[in-house]
Amino acid sequence: DVKVTQSSRYLVKRTGEKVFLECVQDMDHENMFWYRQDPGLGLRLIYFSYDVKMKEKGDIPEGYSVSREKKERFSLILESASTNQTSMYLCASMERRNTQYFGPGTRLTVL
Amino acid sequence: GDSVTQMEGPVTLSEEAFLTINCTYTATGYPSLFWYVQYPGEGLQLLLKATKADDKGSNKGFEATYRKETTSFHLEKGSVQVSDSAVYFCALSEWYTGNQFYFGTGTSLTVIP
Repeated sequence: DVKVTQSSRYLVKRTGEKVFLECVQDMDHENMFWYRQDPGLGLRLIYFSYDVKMKEKGDIPEGYSVSREKKERFSLILESASTNQTSMYLCASMERRNTQYFGPGTRLTVL
Repeated sequence: GDSVTQMEGPVTLSEEAFLTINCTYTATGYPSLFWYVQYPGEGLQLLLKATKADDKGSNKGFEATYRKETTSFHLEKGSVQVSDSAVYFCALSEWYTGNQFYFGTGTSLTVIP
C-alpha cells in the first residue's frame, strides 16, 4: 500500500512565524501536491511538483512556497504565517496519470 | 476550464436507506473520474474510480457509472450503514492539465441508526 505521511497532525503557530510542513511518500511517485481544505470551499491546490526541484503554482500559491530536494519529500513553507492560513493542509502523491494518495492532514492554527 | 459540481449537503439518512450523491463535471477532453471519502479527522481515501465512458467503479457497496452523455458520475449505495458517515468528494483528472485533480466541494453524509 502507498503510504503518505505528514510531519504533524496538529500544529499551533504564532502570526509572523515561519512554518514548515513536511510530506513524505514511499512509492517513488513523480507527482506531489499540497492542498488546503476549508469548510464550504473543498480542496484548493496550493502547489504541485512533477519532479525533483520542479514546482508549479496551483490556484492559491500566495503566501506559500515549496521545496522538493528529494523525490520522496515535498515541503510546504509559510514564510510569515497569518491567521487566514489557519486551515487543514493535505499532501498527496501520484504516479503519472493515476490516482492521488493522501496523507492524514495537518491541522494548522495560527494565533 | 475543468470543474466538478456535486450535490450540496449535508445529507442525513437512516441506516439501510438508499444513497445517491450527484456529481457532474465539465472537461475539455476525456477525464478520469474519482470518488474520495474523508472520515472525521483523516485525509482523503480513494473510494472508486472510472477512466472511460460507461465504466462502472465499485467498492465497499458503493457504485458510480461514468456517463459521458450527461457528464455525470453519481455515487450510489443500496443500503448505508452508520460507518459510512463521512464527507464524499467527486474529482476529475485530465493528463493534459499536468495531472491536476479538480475536486468538488464535498458532501457530508450522516447515517443515523
